[in-house]
Amino acid sequence: GQNIDQPTEMTATEGAIVQINCTYQTSGFNGLFWYQQHAGEAPTFLSYNVLDGLEEKGRFSSFLSRSKGYSYLLLKELQMKDSASYLCAVRDGDSGAGSYQLTFGKGTKLSVIP
Amino acid sequence: KAGVTQTPRYLIKTRGQQVTLSCSPISGHRSVSWYQQTPGQGLQFLFEYFSETQRNKGNFPGRFSGRQFSNSRSEMNVSTLELGDSALYLCASSSGQGNTEAFFGQGTRLTVV
Repeated sequence: GQNIDQPTEMTATEGAIVQINCTYQTSGFNGLFWYQQHAGEAPTFLSYNVLDGLEEKGRFSSFLSRSKGYSYLLLKELQMKDSASYLCAVRDGDSGAGSYQLTFGKGTKLSVIP
Repeated sequence: KAGVTQTPRYLIKTRGQQVTLSCSPISGHRSVSWYQQTPGQGLQFLFEYFSETQRNKGNFPGRFSGRQFSNSRSEMNVSTLELGDSALYLCASSSGQGNTEAFFGQGTRLTVV
């Protein structure tokens, strides 16, 4: 089975930096994804990590440590529009590299305040 | 390039009825995955179809079924609806090969009364 944990809610100030952590326990591992979901909208892809290390994409970065079962999403220069839920998802090793059978955490609701 | 299209956007059904939801993936994508999203459980995987074959299946009862057509469009069906089936049903489209991202549709909001 799989278990993915992330904080339920976080609050941060506009212009600041926030780090959203995700820990996972899986029977196998074939990649970790971060998605952003605004209320009432579809999740949108932010990042993908399959090897240890940091992936940077503009204001967003994602880090993975496979040995620790740990990832984080780093958001810099926060903007009001970054207020959303952030979903951590793991593709297990049995699903195959092309499969999109993902196990999601319950999401972290981020509120950005002025 | 058109995105992932799900129809209908909203649906109200009565307990015991059945429902069919549709998902048209991005042109050229051969994989369609279905997820159920509820406030309490978050996003949960239902099943994935690739080239008209079910490739993976989640832990949902047999009342939940799906299929994929030769044009990659997919449908999911829920029979004998229960109140607990009320949820947002999302489909995700991807090429289905290699480590590529998936694109989600806007979802179908199903309410069972």
